[in-house]
Parts: sequence; C-alpha cells; structure tokens
Amino acid sequence: GQSLEQPSEVTAVEGAIVQINCTYQTSGFYGLSWYQQHDGGAPTFLSYNALDGLEETGRFSSFLSRSDSYGYLLLQELQMKDSASYFCAVRDWGKLIFGQGTELSVKP
Amino acid sequence: ETGVTQTPRHLVMGMTNKKSLKCEQHLGHNAMYWYKQSAKKPLELMFVYNFKEQTENNSVPSRFSPECPNSSHLFLHLHTLQPEDSALYLCASSQDDGDQPQHFGDGTRLSIL
Repeated sequence: GQSLEQPSEVTAVEGAIVQINCTYQTSGFYGLSWYQQHDGGAPTFLSYNALDGLEETGRFSSFLSRSDSYGYLLLQELQMKDSASYFCAVRDWGKLIFGQGTELSVKP
Repeated sequence: ETGVTQTPRHLVMGMTNKKSLKCEQHLGHNAMYWYKQSAKKPLELMFVYNFKEQTENNSVPSRFSPECPNSSHLFLHLHTLQPEDSALYLCASSQDDGDQPQHFGDGTRLSIL
C-alpha cells in the first residue's frame, strides 16, 4: 500500500533550527513535495524534490534520498509565524498522496 | 481577483439536503482538484480534472458529484450526505496534472447535521 510517515508534532524556540522527517512507501514515485498550512488557512506549496539532494529556498531547505525513501524539511532561524502544520506529499502515478502532517509550535 | 477562491466558506446542511460547493481559479491553470481534510487525517484526494476531463476518481461515494464546466471552475454537488462527511473540502489547481505545485483555496468547512 501507500503510506507516508511524519512526526505528528514538533516544538522549537524562536531562532532555532528544526528538521521534519518524512518516510514514504509508494508503488510509484515522481517526487517529494512539502506544503505549509496555517490553522484555518489554505495549504501553500513550499518545495519539491525530484532528485536526490538538498534544495534551498531562503530559510527553508528540503532534502530527498530516493534510495532510502526518505526526505526532510529543514527550517532555520525559526520565527513565530512558522507555527503551522507541514505536510509532505508524494506523487504516485499521477496522484498526490499527503502525509498526516506535522504540527510545528514555535515558542518565544 | 487572483488565486483560488472557494465558496461558501462555511456550510451546515442536513442529511437530506442538496447543496453545491464552488471553486474558481484565476491562475490560468488546466488541472483542478477536490480534496477532503478531516481532523487528524491526511488530505485525501477526491477528484482530478485536467482540461475539463475527469482523470481521477479516488473511490469517492456517489453522493459527491463533481462538475467542471471549464478550466477555471469546479463544483462539488452534494446530496444525501452522512455525518462522517463533515470536513474541510479543499479545491486546488495546477498548471496541469503533472509535477507542478498545487495552489489551494481556503476551503469550505462542511458540517452535516
């Protein structure tokens, strides 16, 4: 079957670095995406990895290892506004399959 | 207007009612999606339309009926829903149904009495 595993919640302090891991098991694989969703809001696209390695976009970076079926989202210089849910998603034969989401709480 | 707009934002209906959710995108995208988001569960893909043609029905019960009259508009017609259908229904669009990022609307919060 298809499954994505990510931690349900993570807590960190302002200015810190946090890593949210995602492992996946799918019959097909075309890439790993990350989305952010603030409470009551729309999910917004953060990053996409189709190949192994690290992609950096400002304070956020995303990593993929296809051989390990594993990726992570790295958030640096955490700010209070980063408190949100973060979803990894895998494209599996044309469908986007989402993980259950990681609720990140940033404390002062 | 820009982005993906969903109406209504909130909907309360009885199990015997018929209602419709509307989604409109002003991004020039060709693919549109319906997702269901229940508490403590992952987003579940329901339907995919690409160039107005339905390309994915993820085993959705027939009480949910999608309609895509053009690439900018997507509807979800609801009838005879069950209490477990209470959820946030999200619409999204992307350039096509490949690897492009999906842009989501704010969703319709649906409550079934």
